[in-house]
Amino acid sequence: GAGVSQSPRYKVAKRGQDVALRCDPISGHVSLFWYQQALGQGPEFLTYFQNEAQLDKSGLPSDRFFAERPEGSVSTLKIQRTQQEDSAVYLCASSQSGGGTDTQYFGPGTRLTVL
Amino acid sequence: AQSVTQLGSHVSVSEGALVLLRCNYSSSVPPYLFWYVQYPNQGLQLLLKYTTGATLVKGINGFEAEFKKSETSFHLTKPSAHMSDAAEYFCAVSDRVGGGFKTIFGAGTRLFVKA
Repeated sequence: GAGVSQSPRYKVAKRGQDVALRCDPISGHVSLFWYQQALGQGPEFLTYFQNEAQLDKSGLPSDRFFAERPEGSVSTLKIQRTQQEDSAVYLCASSQSGGGTDTQYFGPGTRLTVL
Repeated sequence: AQSVTQLGSHVSVSEGALVLLRCNYSSSVPPYLFWYVQYPNQGLQLLLKYTTGATLVKGINGFEAEFKKSETSFHLTKPSAHMSDAAEYFCAVSDRVGGGFKTIFGAGTRLFVKA
C-alpha cells in the first residue's frame, strides 16, 4: 500500500478483555515499530521487529502485552486482560532498514479505550 | 540513554509571525535528531532530520532546524506562521536498541496559530 495502515482505528474494550491491534507496514519495509502514546504525551517505544525477528521488546509494559510479525510483514499487537491504564493510542511505524538515520513512516494509530 | 526535552507544551503565535519550538537532547554519542509533526487524526509525519554534515537542516513546509552541539539543542523555526501549521510537533532522537535503532520522542509542543 501507499502508507502504513492500522486497524481498527478505534477500539473500546471492557476491562479484562483481550484485544488485537493490526499493523500493515509499507511493502518491503524491513523494520516495524510499535509505540504507545498516552494523552498529551509523546509516543513511547514498545517493541521493534526486523523482518520476523523481534529484536527488542524492552518497552512492553507487562507480560500482558505481546507482539508478533510471523511472516515479516503484517504485525499484531495483542493485549491480554486489558486494564484502564492501557487506554492510549497505539502507533505502528515502519522503515526501510531500521538504521539510525532512517525515516520512520507512521500509521494513523489505534485509539484503545478500556472501560 | 538518549533523551529529549521540549520546552513549552503549548506555543501560540499570530499568523505571519516567527515560529520557534525548542528542543534539547541528551546523548552520549553523536545524535541523529528528528522533528515530526502530527496533524489531528493523522499519523506522525517527518518534517526534517539531522544526521551528519550541515548543521542547518531544511525540511518541508518552510521549516528548518539548527543542530548546536555546544548547546545540545535542535530548535525548530519557521519565519512566517500559517494557519495550516497548527499541529503537535515532536522532537526525537535515535537510540540504539537490539541490533537496530528506536526513536525517543519528546512530550510534544502544540502550536496554535491565531488569525
